[in-house]
Amino acid sequence: EERLLESGGGLVQPGGSLAVSCAGSGFTFSTYAMSWVRRAPAKGLEWVSGISGSGGSDATFYAKSVKGRFTISRDNSKNTLFLHMTSLSADDTAVYYCTRHPIGCSGGNCYSSYWSYMDVWGKGTTVIVSS
Amino acid sequence: EIVLTQSPGTLSLSPGERATLSCRASQSVSSNYLAWYQQKPGQAPRLVIYGASSRATGIPDRFSGSGSGTDFTLTISRLEPEDVAVYFCHQYGGSPLTFGGGTKVEIK
Repeated sequence: EERLLESGGGLVQPGGSLAVSCAGSGFTFSTYAMSWVRRAPAKGLEWVSGISGSGGSDATFYAKSVKGRFTISRDNSKNTLFLHMTSLSADDTAVYYCTRHPIGCSGGNCYSSYWSYMDVWGKGTTVIVSS
Repeated sequence: EIVLTQSPGTLSLSPGERATLSCRASQSVSSNYLAWYQQKPGQAPRLVIYGASSRATGIPDRFSGSGSGTDFTLTISRLEPEDVAVYFCHQYGGSPLTFGGGTKVEIK
């Protein structure tokens, strides 16, 4: 079974930092682009950040709301995705979901891209920013 | 940025009734790159529809998606109690990826 399992959420003070991680299993992790999506209390879903399968720094993407404060990375040898968050504020309080972008084929080339929907979601990890 | 507006905010129907959920984009969604997700209370979102009209694996055939350009619809042909959830539309044709605000489906 293809699974994503987040961990590392918790309570952090405003201005603080926190790192959350996501372990993938049941599929070839390095083949897939991945994203973090969050849902704040009583709000909708918000895409936060994405990364290509190879994980190079030139293949990372960020929402305007987090650019310069959050860093996405991955360790394909450990099938793990990370999100390092700094300068946190109350607006960052949310459940953070790890998601996978599926493989699609175009012109004979098949690959997983950030420019796609999300076909596998983790159960989420809760981040609360409060003093 | 493509803004997605969903309506209605809440839909309250009886079992067996037809549910029609709307998602309107602020500009045309490239190649109909529009997906729908179902999120039940306390659970992670689940993919329902991708490519505007393709059902995801394991999704019952009472769910269908339609539309193109800026107007998209998710239809539940005969509402079941287990369909109670918030439904989000999502566009992946433009950067950044964006989601609609959601439609809550309730059973009367």
